[in-house]
Amino acid sequence: KNEVEQSPQNLTAQEGEFITINCSYSVGISALHWLQQHPGGGIVSLFMLSSGKKKHGRLIATINIQEKHSSLHITASHPRDSAVYICAVVGSNYQLIWGAGTKLIIKP
Amino acid sequence: KAGVTQTPRYLIKTRGQQVTLSCSPISGHRSVSWYQQTPGQGLQFLFEYFSETQRNKGNFPGRFSGRQFSNSRSEMNVSTLELGDSALYLCASSYLGDSPLHFGNGTRLTVT
Repeated sequence: KNEVEQSPQNLTAQEGEFITINCSYSVGISALHWLQQHPGGGIVSLFMLSSGKKKHGRLIATINIQEKHSSLHITASHPRDSAVYICAVVGSNYQLIWGAGTKLIIKP
Repeated sequence: KAGVTQTPRYLIKTRGQQVTLSCSPISGHRSVSWYQQTPGQGLQFLFEYFSETQRNKGNFPGRFSGRQFSNSRSEMNVSTLELGDSALYLCASSYLGDSPLHFGNGTRLTVT
């Protein structure tokens, strides 16, 4: 079993839908990253969380340390949100452990 | 503030050759990590350097090595290139290890 599990692996939705991507981990962490990678593009850091909730525009990230679970939400999704979303946790000795990514496609 | 700079952007090498990739982190950042990305494989962690010391290492053969200089710039070296080394190599920097990550645009290596 991977130490960081993301679900779903693939997600296709219609424009305007509310999107949720989940990340569960099994190790102790000091922080969790959500990142975005567009096709052929670089990787952009969306959030870094160690507790609670963060919001930036239409993006919301939450983390529950006790349940070892984080979610990334996108409200009013748009085709430009189509990308791979990656969860990564900071484990012991600052080692980053990566999820496999969620490929999101938003259809107009 | 300048972002993370990776050079070169593109590189074509032949099997058996060696290659050196460079990563200049954001000023003040002390952690630099390297990743390999191949189609369908996602990000594979290579290694992380912090204050000139390798702090973490992924599961790559010894042909992959790196170093970090006193100005935090990092280089990655791949010796005896194989076709399977063709990939996008990304580096990321952060102030510490659990600070926000900043990625470079990557170096696309093609081995023929």
